[in-house]
Amino acid sequence: EAAVTQSPRNKVAVTGGKVTLSCNQTNNHNNMYWYRQDTGHGLRLIHYSYGAGSTEKGDIPDGYKASRPSQENFSLILELATPSQTSVYFCASGDAGGGSYEQYFGPGTRLTVL
Amino acid sequence: GDSVTQKEGLVTLTEGLPVMLNCTYQTIYSNAFLFWYVHYLNESPRLLLKSSTDNKRTEHQGFHATLHKSSSSFHLQKSSAQLSDSALYYCALSDFSGANTGKLTFGHGTILRVHP
Repeated sequence: EAAVTQSPRNKVAVTGGKVTLSCNQTNNHNNMYWYRQDTGHGLRLIHYSYGAGSTEKGDIPDGYKASRPSQENFSLILELATPSQTSVYFCASGDAGGGSYEQYFGPGTRLTVL
Repeated sequence: GDSVTQKEGLVTLTEGLPVMLNCTYQTIYSNAFLFWYVHYLNESPRLLLKSSTDNKRTEHQGFHATLHKSSSSFHLQKSSAQLSDSALYYCALSDFSGANTGKLTFGHGTILRVHP
């Protein structure tokens, strides 16, 4: 069974503070993704990675950085958090090989920036 | 670029009635791969069904969808709604640009609420 975990599950941060959201997958997938989910916008891609050491900008990367230190771990970093970054963040893993394109999602992190 | 449109933000139904959630897409690539993901409250989004074959019905867990490339549509249907179907449903399109990114473009989502 696919397994993607995220920590923390809930986070309250102050404006201007640094926030790190962590994601771990045990699927041995090459690709990992970070999304935010907002009402009326659905799931929007922030950053993604092809493998350890790689990070790529998604559709809404401004204000976010990403880090992929290993196959299993992918972090999303908010250097200077703003209230507009209050959202639910989902991490996912997947492999594009074989044409599957299925992504497996974590449980989400609810971030509130005050 | 690629885009996915889900017209309805909210669909409210009485249990037992048929379900149809609309999904249309735009892409320049002929080999589109379409997905429906379902997100139940307090759970992770997960794949419901997928298809890349034109005019072939795909079924899973009582839901079905047929990819129609001529109309760029992939509507989700079920013959009889159940209370447990209440969830957020996303239609998504794969990236076939050749870069093998595995990226998906999601629609805005449709909330399905089924009441007794």
